[in-house]
Amino acid sequence: SQTIHQWPATLVQPVGSPLSLECTVEGTSNPNLYWYRQAAGRGLQLLFYSVGIGQISSEVPQNLSASRPQDRQFILSSKKLLLSDSGFYLCAWTSPTNINNSPLHFGNGTRLTVT
Amino acid sequence: DQQVKQNSPSLSVQEGRISILNCDYTNSMFDYFLWYKKYPAEGPTFLISISSIKDKNEDGRFTVFLNKSAKHLSLHIVPSQPGDSAVYFCAGRSGGFKTIFGAGTRLFVKA
Repeated sequence: SQTIHQWPATLVQPVGSPLSLECTVEGTSNPNLYWYRQAAGRGLQLLFYSVGIGQISSEVPQNLSASRPQDRQFILSSKKLLLSDSGFYLCAWTSPTNINNSPLHFGNGTRLTVT
Repeated sequence: DQQVKQNSPSLSVQEGRISILNCDYTNSMFDYFLWYKKYPAEGPTFLISISSIKDKNEDGRFTVFLNKSAKHLSLHIVPSQPGDSAVYFCAGRSGGFKTIFGAGTRLFVKA
């Protein structure tokens, strides 16, 4: 069966520091991968998605970037964090086949607090 | 632009009764809709989905209804259980990659 791992679970970082969040998927090949963010009291906002190694689509202009160095690895990064980057970050995957009817499967998220 | 709206931030229901969670959308290109359940400090868990060519999909205690003309969908939980207490997100998708979520409705099921 497929599993998705995301770490760390919580992170407290000072303003201006770098960020690296990692996500890996097991049990499937060539998944579509996603980064979402949930700000306090709000819905889930799509940040990035990737359909393959090195292929990244950005949905919103922001202080963050994403990379996919391996088929089942997705990384969210920032060179200098802002206070507004605080939130709950979620990695997700969908099957590469029947994409229109494939639900998102989420990891357990990373709670990022920028101080 | 909020393409998916969940206008009720919270809902309280007695155990054993029906919970009805509502969702409205504005994007007529959505062809697939999903409901997720989320506990605190965890990722959302997929519950049930419906294609835009259908008006109802049922899975155990969960039923999703879609009214395309009204751009409205709802999730019915019968009977409600205390373990159903969570935040429920409605989502719509067009074109496969972009799933747009509502802000969520917090459901409280009282024992």
